[in-house]
Amino acid sequence: EVQLLESGGGLVQPGGSLRLSCAASGFTFSIYAMSWVRQAPGKGLEWVSSVSGSSDIINYADSVKGRFTISRDNSKNTLYLQMNSLRGEDTAVYYCTKGRQLLDNWGQGTLVTVSS
Amino acid sequence: QSVLTQPPSVSAAPGQKVTISCSGSSSNIGNNYVSWYQQFPGTAPKVLIYDNYKRPSEIPDRFSGSKSGTSATLGIAGLQTGDEADYYCESWDDSLNVALFGGGTKLTAL
Repeated sequence: EVQLLESGGGLVQPGGSLRLSCAASGFTFSIYAMSWVRQAPGKGLEWVSSVSGSSDIINYADSVKGRFTISRDNSKNTLYLQMNSLRGEDTAVYYCTKGRQLLDNWGQGTLVTVSS
Repeated sequence: QSVLTQPPSVSAAPGQKVTISCSGSSSNIGNNYVSWYQQFPGTAPKVLIYDNYKRPSEIPDRFSGSKSGTSATLGIAGLQTGDEADYYCESWDDSLNVALFGGGTKLTAL
């Protein structure tokens, strides 16, 4: 059974940083692309970033480009999202997902709140 | 504002069939697969349809998907009150190199 467990969310001040982690199990992590998708309170889904299995292909939404960095450690079956220069509009539940175009498994999400 | 356009809401009586449309362009739906996701309040989304029309094994055949040109459609037959949820279409965009979601459609069983 595929399991994705996010951690690292919390309250951070504007301009601050946070690193999200996603521990994956139940599949061969290294051969699958992984993505982060977020959902602001009461809003729809917004794709944030994707990374290929070998980390050679990385894509970002324009809204986070230059501020967020996606990475993965295949030896630890873990996906990361380093978030810098956080803004109020980054407040959302962040989901770790398996895949790039087809997001076939989702974690339960971790809430990031950017507020002073 | 989403690049993939969905109606904000749809409704139908239990037992009826409802369709949800998703309109895009040649750089996304027109040239890539479409997926559909179902999301209940307070829970993570779940994939309903992938590769335009395929269903994961656990999804009942009441749910169907189709694509024509730059538009896609999700169909739900024999509507049940338990189908009340938010539904999102999604496709990759080759020009922007991003994944795009529709704005979401809230389904109500009257």
